[in-house]
Amino acid sequence: GAVVSQHPSWVICKSGTSVKIECRSLDFQATTMFWYRQFPKQSLMLMATSNEGSKATYEQGVEKDKFLINHASLTLSTLTVTSAHPEDSSFYICSASDGRPQHFGDGTRLSIL
Amino acid sequence: AQSVTQLGSHVSVSEGALVLLRCNYSSSVPPYLFWYVQYPNQGLQLLLKYTSAATLVKGINGFEAEFKKSETSFHLTKPSAHMSDAAEYFCAVSHPNSNSGYALNFGKGTSLLVTP
Repeated sequence: GAVVSQHPSWVICKSGTSVKIECRSLDFQATTMFWYRQFPKQSLMLMATSNEGSKATYEQGVEKDKFLINHASLTLSTLTVTSAHPEDSSFYICSASDGRPQHFGDGTRLSIL
Repeated sequence: AQSVTQLGSHVSVSEGALVLLRCNYSSSVPPYLFWYVQYPNQGLQLLLKYTSAATLVKGINGFEAEFKKSETSFHLTKPSAHMSDAAEYFCAVSHPNSNSGYALNFGKGTSLLVTP
């Protein structure tokens, strides 16, 4: 079946640093990728939707300058959390779609000290 | 706007008992509905989906769900719970999106506990 690889799976870094998370579709071309954020014991909240070659569409309340999304190819999207602070600590999950239902990565646990 | 409501944030069943996880949807257009399972520190795995074909949908791991338009429901069931079914379950509905057809709105999730 379709596989989405997300890397890294766990990141711990100091406050003020920037962190990049990669999301790759391994066996299909993902025309659309989604980035979600999940707080402990809560549901997934859509942060942004990105289509290959165009700017991402951010959900209301998500700072586009804080969470930079690049979808440069049909198999790769990146989320960069810029100048991360402790309140950015969360579980970030990407998903990818080729027009059919999304396939999810295994998530990235981000901890900002 | 489309949304789903999952009734019961925690459900506990005995091993071998029936599993019933409830989901009601709200949609102004015919919805696509999904059930996902999430194990700790992992992403989501699709259990099953309803996309306007058969109203009774069979998924993986023995799960099934029935789309009932009159009740605006899409409850998830499994006849006999297994210890490995303990996880977080999310109901989701897709909504129209100018960039894609499958952007999802998730329910708050139901944590399933299976006791010996």
